[in-house]
Amino acid sequence: DGGITQSPKYLFRKEGQNVTLSCEQNLNHDAMYWYRQDPGQGLRLIYYSQIVNDFQKGDIAEGYSVSREKKESFPLTVTSAQKNPTAFYLCATRRTGSYNEQFFGPGTRLTVL
Amino acid sequence: DAKTTQPTSMDCAEGRAANLPCNHSTISGNEYVYWYRQIHSQGPQYIIHGLKNNETNEMASLIITEDRKSSTLILPHATLRDTAVYYCIVRAVYAGGTSYGKLTFGQGTILTVHP
Repeated sequence: DGGITQSPKYLFRKEGQNVTLSCEQNLNHDAMYWYRQDPGQGLRLIYYSQIVNDFQKGDIAEGYSVSREKKESFPLTVTSAQKNPTAFYLCATRRTGSYNEQFFGPGTRLTVL
Repeated sequence: DAKTTQPTSMDCAEGRAANLPCNHSTISGNEYVYWYRQIHSQGPQYIIHGLKNNETNEMASLIITEDRKSSTLILPHATLRDTAVYYCIVRAVYAGGTSYGKLTFGQGTILTVHP
């Protein structure tokens, strides 16, 4: 089954703890993206990676970090420096050869208590 | 990227056509119109995109006005499963190297399909 996997769907953490969200894809797409969505709002870009071992900051990168050691994986770490980490986090890939057609995972809802 | 304006919400009866408008009066010549939708608590789903000609696929049709300042997404026979937030995004095909795929999602239109 081709697609994007984000796990877990719901995640709870205590304030001050770092947490890593997983994103795995078997679509063989080069580009991957992380977005954040707050209730009633659109998506905001956190980080993106066009190719393995390379990534760039998006519009709201502060308090987040990423790595791209493998084509299939693009984990996002929410650090304790992120002031309002509770949100819905979405991972996406861009179809190779397409400029703006993105495929999204099911998302992880992070709640920091 | 050109700014887009969409109505906050719309209703549609099941089985009827849903016509979702989008204004993008500042669109430039190299910018395409993209439509995505997001069903509650899921990731967005790509629907369709176009430059200046009308486009149709298995999900929807996209009608772009001749001056390209507005467009309409048409779901020909809406079902209850089409209830979602619909996002209209304007984006250049080529925005320079690492800018590929940097989409800006606004607040979109909440489409409610009722029986």
